[in-house]
Amino acid sequence: ETGVTQTPRHLVMGMTNKKSLKCEQHLGHNAMYWYKQSAKKPLELMFVYSLEERVENNSVPSRFSPECPNSSHLFLHLHTLQPEDSALYLCASSPGRKNIQYFGAGTRLSVL
Amino acid sequence: QQPVQSPQAVILREGEDAVINCSSSKALYSVHWYRQKHGEAPVFLMILLKGGEQKGHDKISASFNEKKQQSSLYLTASQLSYSGTYFCGTEVYGNAGNMLTFGGGTRLMVKP
Repeated sequence: ETGVTQTPRHLVMGMTNKKSLKCEQHLGHNAMYWYKQSAKKPLELMFVYSLEERVENNSVPSRFSPECPNSSHLFLHLHTLQPEDSALYLCASSPGRKNIQYFGAGTRLSVL
Repeated sequence: QQPVQSPQAVILREGEDAVINCSSSKALYSVHWYRQKHGEAPVFLMILLKGGEQKGHDKISASFNEKKQQSSLYLTASQLSYSGTYFCGTEVYGNAGNMLTFGGGTRLMVKP
């Protein structure tokens, strides 16, 4: 148990659906992240929030929309996804400058 | 630009040693090491902040050569529990903070 909880653990959606991924951290950290992990590819940073403000976008397609309502919660809203968006989506949090990241177990997303 | 890890995969017998390398084309501020077991969240192992620094716990240690812009992870007398994928994450100078770039991972399998 890392203190970072992601729901749902598995998600199957069609290309026209709208869904949201949720991440919650109970560690009192002030930075939160979304990563995409595809087979045989490095972890790709998608979004960073520090003190509830987005600090990095990394050229992510607009069909992915993050939301950080407070320092403990992070959402990733999904709409009109493509099959190539199928991947494991990981959330992480970190306490500050040393940037040690605590990961959730991820949401396995399949887009049909 | 992401760091390059080598080897991509390694198979060991219990008790054997392994070295995993992480190289960057940019000057590094820090190097992080994480391990991810199948179906689980990546877990932080250690962070190296200074050139020439070495750290370790149990039989896993790491070095950071700032001049060569590389880090190595040493696994000594490997145990079955060491199996998983090892990732290095790097912070570069001039970075705005809060961002790691991860290597492609090294898949380690320890057999009895």
